[in-house]
Amino acid sequence: DAKTTQPNSMESNEEEPVHLPCNHSTISGTDYIHWYRQLPSQGPEYVIHGLTSNVNNRMASLAIAEDRKSSTLILHRATLRDAAVYYCILRDVAAGNKLTFGGGTRVLVKP
Amino acid sequence: DAGVTQSPTHLIKTRGQQVTLRCSPKSGHDTVSWYQQALGQGPQFIFQYYEEEERQRGNFPDRFSGHQFPNYSSELNVNALLLGDSALYLCASSLKSTESRTEAFFGQGTRLTVV
Repeated sequence: DAKTTQPNSMESNEEEPVHLPCNHSTISGTDYIHWYRQLPSQGPEYVIHGLTSNVNNRMASLAIAEDRKSSTLILHRATLRDAAVYYCILRDVAAGNKLTFGGGTRVLVKP
Repeated sequence: DAGVTQSPTHLIKTRGQQVTLRCSPKSGHDTVSWYQQALGQGPQFIFQYYEEEERQRGNFPDRFSGHQFPNYSSELNVNALLLGDSALYLCASSLKSTESRTEAFFGQGTRLTVV
């Protein structure tokens, strides 16, 4: 399975942007880049995904490097409710689409 | 739409016992995957069911087995429980035809404690 590398934790102030990096140097051409987050005492929640182009939705933006070996999840204005563990995952169509979670980045938001 | 529902929410079992966990997928979804999440770690893939058959399996022993019913709901069975099986068990549902490019929906999980 292709693997991802994320920082263990990041801190942000409320209403400021948060940039969460993810390295995936062994990504293959069929891997989609997915981001999920897990709030305390809850199951993971989908955030965003992309293949090659940058993506935006109501929750966040995903910036994908041109060589696809890294990506950045951007939370434009962090709120206290965004405090969670964020997982960057490569979803391989050829390997049956299972989600392979790493350790994720724990995001702390300070008021 | 109730989303993905799991039962029970919490469970305490004794070593050596057997346990069955249940999952109802999101309406319209036909694929169910199970994950084990130990404390402080990311979820680990156990297996996936589609069309009532196990389609993929992670690195888990045969003590872990499952079933999918015609209504797409699923069960996870664990035999001969070990203390190390204590974890949050998560169920995720998706639609097979689009799952590579769409999201999986997770339930709240079942917290299993083995004593």
